[in-house]
Parts: sequence; structure tokens; C-alpha cells
Amino acid sequence: GQNIDQPTEMTATEGAIVQINCTYQTSGFNGLFWYQQHAGEAPTFLSYNVLDGLEEKGRFSSFLSRSKGYSYLLLKELQMKDSASYLCAVRSRRAAGNKLTFGGGTRVLVKP
Amino acid sequence: DVKVTQSSRYLVKRTGEKVFLECVQDMDHENMFWYRQDPGLGLRLIYFSYDVKMKEKGDIPEGYSVSREKKERFSLILESASTNQTSMYLCASSPRGADAYNEQFFGPGTRLTVL
Repeated sequence: GQNIDQPTEMTATEGAIVQINCTYQTSGFNGLFWYQQHAGEAPTFLSYNVLDGLEEKGRFSSFLSRSKGYSYLLLKELQMKDSASYLCAVRSRRAAGNKLTFGGGTRVLVKP
Repeated sequence: DVKVTQSSRYLVKRTGEKVFLECVQDMDHENMFWYRQDPGLGLRLIYFSYDVKMKEKGDIPEGYSVSREKKERFSLILESASTNQTSMYLCASSPRGADAYNEQFFGPGTRLTVL
């Protein structure tokens, strides 16, 4: 099976940087996704990594190390609207139909 | 823009009732998914479908069934609702193919309360 771990909650100050770690164990790794979910809303896609290294998208970056089973999502220049849950999800090559397994999510609270 | 819609945002049912949750997507996606989301447990996959009339069990299929008669519509059925099925239910769809990122697109969710 698959096991995905991420911290439950993090707090940071507006304008600061926050790094959300995700560790996973899976066979046949075939991609890692990060989603953002505001309270009461649907998750929305943030980033995708399948090769080792850093993917940058504006204020958000995501890093992957396949050998370590590790990813992080980096949020820079935090804004109040970044207060949300961030979900790490792993796709396995053995999974039919583009199936994902999600971690429990990390709730990020941005304070003024 | 991909749009995934769910029939209700909020639903209240009684124990033992049969409950239908409907999901429709408008982007001709082959794959569709039903999840439930509970505090501290994250998103857990109930069932998914990778083609019309095809279905596969996810991680927690007990107490649920699904129907996919048309490509755009994926229904989740609670044959006899129980209080432990009170949860947020999320539907998602994605294109076929796991060689590109092909992310899943989510609907707004249905918050189901079973009394």
C-alpha cells in the first residue's frame, strides 16, 4: 500500500516563508501532486513533480527527491489568502485510472 | 475551464434512507472519482471509474455503490445510510493517461449529514 505523511498544522506570519514537508512510501512512484483547499471549498491543483528537483510557479515552489521519498511545498511572501489546507498526493504507476492517494493535509494559518 | 458539478451542497438524511449523490463533468474526462473527506483523515477514495460502466473499489468502498451509465455522470449510492457516513463527499474527474500530470479536477463537495 501507500503511506503519506505531512504535518497537521503550521502557523506563519504574513510576508514570511513556510515549507510544508511530505514523506511517502509507495511502489511504482509516478508523480506527486500538491493541492490547495480553502475551508468549505474544493481542492485546486497547485503543482506536480515526477522528476527530482524544484518546480517553481510564482510564489509557490515544489521539490521532489524520489530516492528519499520526500517532497516539500514552499510558499513565499505569504499572504492572508494563503490560509488553507495543503494536500500532498501520490500517484502510483500500478494504479489504474490515474488514481491518487492523499495525505491528511496540512492546515496553514497565516497571521498578520 | 473544466467544470465538475455535484447535485447538492448540503444534504440531510435519516438512518436507513437510500441516498444518491450525483456528479457531472463537462470536459469529456474518462476517469471519475468519489472521495470522502473527514477531519484528520484527509481524502479517502471510495470508488472510481475509468470508463463508462467500469468501476473499481477504492480504499473504503463498504456501504457504498456507484453507477456510471454515461461518460459525464458518476453517481454514488448509499444503500442504507448510517450515521458514520456523515461526511463531506467530493467528486473529481481527470483525463485518461498517467504519463502526464493530468491532475484531478474537483467538484464543490456535498456535505451529507445522516441523523
